[in-house]
Amino acid sequence: DSGVTQTPKHLITATGQRVTLRCSPRSGDLSVYWYQQSLDQGLQFLIQYYNGEERAKGNILERFSAQQFPDLHSELNLSSLELGDSALYFCASSVGRVTEAFFGQGTRLTVV
Amino acid sequence: AQKITQTQPGMFVQEKEAVTLDCTYDTSDQSYGLFWYKQPSSGEMIFLIYQGSYDEQNATEGRYSLNFQKARKSANLVISASQLGDSAMYFCAMREGNNDYKLSFGAGTTVTVRA
Repeated sequence: DSGVTQTPKHLITATGQRVTLRCSPRSGDLSVYWYQQSLDQGLQFLIQYYNGEERAKGNILERFSAQQFPDLHSELNLSSLELGDSALYFCASSVGRVTEAFFGQGTRLTVV
Repeated sequence: AQKITQTQPGMFVQEKEAVTLDCTYDTSDQSYGLFWYKQPSSGEMIFLIYQGSYDEQNATEGRYSLNFQKARKSANLVISASQLGDSAMYFCAMREGNNDYKLSFGAGTTVTVRA
């Protein structure tokens, strides 16, 4: 168990809908990172939050947004969903510059 | 340009034998970190091993060792005494610089261990 918790594990939704993925980081970790894993794009960094503030952005679509709350949990919001958004979404957390990196179990999103 | 290159899409290895997974990277930073992850069919990403760019010794964690050749920009993973449970996808990843924890991943190598 990595200590990073993601909910839900599986999500099936229709095109055009909006979903929210949730991540609880390891105790004490201030940074949360979101990654998307799809068959055609592989593992892609989406966005990072550090202690509530956006720190870095990667290949995140404008339809997607995220936030980190005062209790440090994070949510990734995906809206106007398309079939191509079907993927495994991972959250990772760290306390800062670390030599270990732990991921949650992922949320598998299927858009139908 | 690809930052992490894993040229072996799939490999077969006999149980109890060692296997080497190739990884080359591209960065102009002096400080960086290299990681290997295992992703079994269940989907989770399991951290295996880390090598810092300034580390002089090759990293080892149990049956996993990282063969770090800085001049060649390679960070190959060696799994010794393969077990059936090692069958999975393996990803090499890199963090550049001293800040942030944004990782760039390779395409992965699928390892299948045969009994």
